[in-house]
Amino acid sequence: GENVEQHPSTLSVQEGDSAVIKCTYSDSASNYFPWYKQELGKRPQLIIDIRSNVGEKKDQRIAVTLNKTAKHFSLHITETQPEDSAVYFCAAQEASSYKLIFGSGTRLLVRP
Amino acid sequence: KAGVTQTPRYLIKTRGQQVTLSCSPISGHRSVSWYQQTPGQGLQFLFEYFSETQRNKGNFPGRFSGRQFSNSRSEMNVSTLELGDSALYLCASSWGRTGDTEAFFGQGTRLTVV
Repeated sequence: GENVEQHPSTLSVQEGDSAVIKCTYSDSASNYFPWYKQELGKRPQLIIDIRSNVGEKKDQRIAVTLNKTAKHFSLHITETQPEDSAVYFCAAQEASSYKLIFGSGTRLLVRP
Repeated sequence: KAGVTQTPRYLIKTRGQQVTLSCSPISGHRSVSWYQQTPGQGLQFLFEYFSETQRNKGNFPGRFSGRQFSNSRSEMNVSTLELGDSALYLCASSWGRTGDTEAFFGQGTRLTVV
């Protein structure tokens, strides 16, 4: 089955800097890769996703890139703000089962 | 449109007891997945129901079970509770169809086993 690894586990950046979180997956047939943001005490919220037929997707300050050959995808946050502080989870969906497999999460801290 | 609703929000149970958690998906969504979230283990997949059938299952013992009703509402049951079952239990709903699989989470049920 699918296995997703996420790095780093914690990330501290200065406000205004960029943050990059990386994930690798094992199943080359996986075709859907969402990213979730979870603030303390709240539910995970879908912030951006990408499908395997696309290499990059942007939404304002957030972008996701996908390299199918290398089986890795990354989340890029530019001009970080304190409200970006949260835990971010990547996930990969098994093509055969619709099952979402999550990475272990990255705790992002944006210092004012 | 209403989001995913989980009840109850908090539960305290004693070892050996059983518990039932409920999840009402977004209207029209037919897929409901359940996850266990703990600080050390992240989001672990429990199982997924689609149109009243269990379509996928994670690697949890048989004490964890679920079902889905004709209105797509789902329940998860844990029998013979252990201390290690203390966690946040999240459900997520989606259309569950190829190319239309965005999943939206409920607020979760925080279960404490004492």
